[in-house]
Amino acid sequence: ELKVEQNPLFLSMQEGKNYTIYCNYSTTSDRLYWYRQDPGKSLESLFVLLSNGAVKQEGRLMASLDTKARLSTLHITAAVHDLSATYFCAVDPPGNTGKLIFGQGTTLQVKP
Amino acid sequence: ETGVTQSPTHLIKTRGQQVTLRCSSQSGHNTVSWYQQALGQGPQFIFQYYREEENGRGNFPPRFSGLQFPNYSSELNVNALELDDSALYLCASSFKTGSHNEQFFGPGTRLTVL
Repeated sequence: ELKVEQNPLFLSMQEGKNYTIYCNYSTTSDRLYWYRQDPGKSLESLFVLLSNGAVKQEGRLMASLDTKARLSTLHITAAVHDLSATYFCAVDPPGNTGKLIFGQGTTLQVKP
Repeated sequence: ETGVTQSPTHLIKTRGQQVTLRCSSQSGHNTVSWYQQALGQGPQFIFQYYREEENGRGNFPPRFSGLQFPNYSSELNVNALELDDSALYLCASSFKTGSHNEQFFGPGTRLTVL
């Protein structure tokens, strides 16, 4: 059974600082997605990572995928308050099923 | 292009009742997946519909059932509601390709079971 674990589960950081969220998964997959969720809202797609070594960047966020280590990272550069949200990684099991398995989420709080 | 929509936004039911949640997929998408998100948790896959057929199911009992219509909209039905069914129900639509299934989520239906 595919398991997805994120750490940390909660992250409080100062504006301007850098930090990394980790997403580990238990079985082979080369399709990983990152989503953002604001309180009481739905999921917003951030990144689609489709191969080993994939790196995507958007603004202050950068995501990468290492399929051999079964690890994805979401790096935050010079955090700003607007990045405060919960971030989820989701893994598509082998076979390109679209039946995503989500991590527990990392709640990021950026303080001024 | 219209995004994924869901109705109703909020719903309150009592134990033992039945509920139907609705989802309209994004234009051009042929696949709808349903997820349950309990408070403070990540979404859990319930089932997926592709071209009106169930195409995989997560670890949910048979009282969770669904339909997909010719226009690719979908319904989620839950019978004999239990307190633990209280959650945010998310619908996601996608277009199946050979490479991946990027899913776009609707705003969700918040179900409270009393």
